[in-house]
Amino acid sequence: AQSVSQHNHHVILSEAASLELGCNYSYGGTVNLFWYVQYPGQHLQLLLKYFSGDPLVKGIKGFEAEFIKSKFSFNLRKPSVQWSDTAEYFCAVTPTYKAAGNKLTFGGGTRVLVKP
Amino acid sequence: NAGVTQTPKFQVLKTGQSMTLQCAQDMNHEYMSWYRQDPGMGLRLIHYSVGAGITDQGEVPNGYNVSRSTTEDFPLRLLSAAPSQTSVYFCASSTRTSGYNEQFFGPGTRLTVL
Repeated sequence: AQSVSQHNHHVILSEAASLELGCNYSYGGTVNLFWYVQYPGQHLQLLLKYFSGDPLVKGIKGFEAEFIKSKFSFNLRKPSVQWSDTAEYFCAVTPTYKAAGNKLTFGGGTRVLVKP
Repeated sequence: NAGVTQTPKFQVLKTGQSMTLQCAQDMNHEYMSWYRQDPGMGLRLIHYSVGAGITDQGEVPNGYNVSRSTTEDFPLRLLSAAPSQTSVYFCASSTRTSGYNEQFFGPGTRLTVL
């Protein structure tokens, strides 16, 4: 079975600072990779996803992530954060074989607080 | 489209009580699932369904039942609530064509079991 690790549980930074959140997964086959965001009091929203092709993917709100297959990593980045980026961020994976369906395995989440 | 809706938003139960968490989607999605969210553990899959009449267990199915009589609805039943089931529950839906499709999440139900 696959697993996902997010190394930072809490991150505090100031506006305009750069953000990088780590995500590593464990699985022997190919995977699809996702970052979801949960703003305070809201449901999960998809930030970006990687299925295949260019390992550097761009998502909404200026976020991007890079898939490094050799490191089993899919780190999330944003060059300059805003107060509105305060949220909890989840990395998730699903195997690509058809029988896996759409079952997501999530990491534990990283709470990001951006100080104005 | 309302998307994925869940009721109730909040619920407090006593140990041993039963209840049903409702989930509905109006996007004609074949795939629906239930997750629970606990601090530091992310979301864990409870049960899922790939279509009406078909359900299967996820990572943490014990203590929960599901059924899928229609494409739109996917209720989650707690037959005898336990304090360990205190959590936030999210329902999600997606299409089920080849490859992966984005899952859409509902607003969640916050459940407390005393």
